[in-house]
Amino acid sequence: DAGVTQSPTHLIKTRGQQVTLRCSPKSGHDTVSWYQQALGQGPQFIFQYYEEEERQRGNFPDRFSGHQFPNYSSELNVNALLLGDSALYLCASSWGGAMNTEAFFGQGTRLTVV
Amino acid sequence: QQQVKQSPQSLIVQKGGIPIINCAYENTAFDYFPWYQQFPGKGPALLIAIRPDVSEKKEGRFTISFNKSAKQFSLHIMDSQPGDSATYFCAARLGSSNTGKLIFGQGTTLQVKP
Repeated sequence: DAGVTQSPTHLIKTRGQQVTLRCSPKSGHDTVSWYQQALGQGPQFIFQYYEEEERQRGNFPDRFSGHQFPNYSSELNVNALLLGDSALYLCASSWGGAMNTEAFFGQGTRLTVV
Repeated sequence: QQQVKQSPQSLIVQKGGIPIINCAYENTAFDYFPWYQQFPGKGPALLIAIRPDVSEKKEGRFTISFNKSAKQFSLHIMDSQPGDSATYFCAARLGSSNTGKLIFGQGTTLQVKP
């Protein structure tokens, strides 16, 4: 059973560019949440997608956007990259049908903005 | 107040010791408290979790103690091993939301010396 998979694993972008990160949820899961983890910090919630819609958003600017596809996979897009966007971006999947389901994380995408 | 405060920031113990990591919260709407273990370059992995109606939960060498009145919970690692060396995050989930959004602590870096 494949767990949560993210691609790419590492990425280097230049300030001002745009980036797209991808996530495939664990088999049987239909909900994808994205988190940003700065170096030495805990993950911070960006937003969550369920039934192809953004269900909740954390304290992140509109430069951060996302999408969920009918197969439940998801993309995170960041426009106009800033140096401060350098972080590990984590995708977590769960089953949205009930509140009390565990969230499983992927290995993350390490984004470096230069 | 949607914060989870975690301490200590780092911890060094000898093999066989019992490291204890503490977390505190303010929001009584939190309804689920997981602990995650993260190795360098990897995503967080769910270790153990507890709900506020339970005062203690054990899974293998890992124990969560929960004090609802004090709004505190802690992770104990029995008979710690060098392989337990990792960063540990406590988290809390808002029961009032329908997304399962997790609020993470700042993390504790544990080193277990042989």
